[in-house]
Amino acid sequence: QKEVEQDPGPLSVPEGAIVSLNCTYSNSAFQYFMWYRQYSRKGPELLMYTYSSGNKEDGRFTAQVDKSSKYISLFIRDSQPSDSATYLCAMSDERAGTASKLTFGTGTRLQVTL
Amino acid sequence: NAGVMQNPRHLVRRRGQEARLRCSPMKGHSHVYWYRQLPEEGLKFMVYLQKENIIDESGMPKERFSAEFPKEGPSILRIQQVVRGDSAAYFCASSPGKEQYFGPGTRLTVT
Repeated sequence: QKEVEQDPGPLSVPEGAIVSLNCTYSNSAFQYFMWYRQYSRKGPELLMYTYSSGNKEDGRFTAQVDKSSKYISLFIRDSQPSDSATYLCAMSDERAGTASKLTFGTGTRLQVTL
Repeated sequence: NAGVMQNPRHLVRRRGQEARLRCSPMKGHSHVYWYRQLPEEGLKFMVYLQKENIIDESGMPKERFSAEFPKEGPSILRIQQVVRGDSAAYFCASSPGKEQYFGPGTRLTVT
């Protein structure tokens, strides 16, 4: 069983829809949770970063962490065709006050159609 | 503030040659991580370095792979005697301590 599970999709939604992306994990030591967006043949771009449980909002993006269920989510409001990309969840434990190596999900491919 | 820089962006090597991948972290970042992404797979951690120190190399293959982050200059990931299975995208990330920012990657092709 993988430490981080993520549905690979593809997920196809119409423009303007609310998108929900999710990951589950098994390692209770994970404290830092990140979402990255990766366009084809590009490097991952950091979208959201949260520490421990709770919600965080940034523009059209909302990240949620439920450590009791080992479940994290990314919501995208008013989705746009430019949001079409692969979305990667990533997480790490804590080492001496800093994050350590990231463990990634395999990514969910999102397609936003006109 | 420039982002994480990696070069070369594309590298072609024949089997048995050496590959050297370079990474310059964002200004002010002292933590560097290397990851490998195989086709249709997620990113896998390889090694975590701070200046002149390897902090965690638990993801590095035991043979042929090495990494350094000298006091001056970029971090270097070195692959000796490359094989076809080394063909992948190699990403470097830098961090001020917690969140990690990725470079554009080096795509290595072994022929």
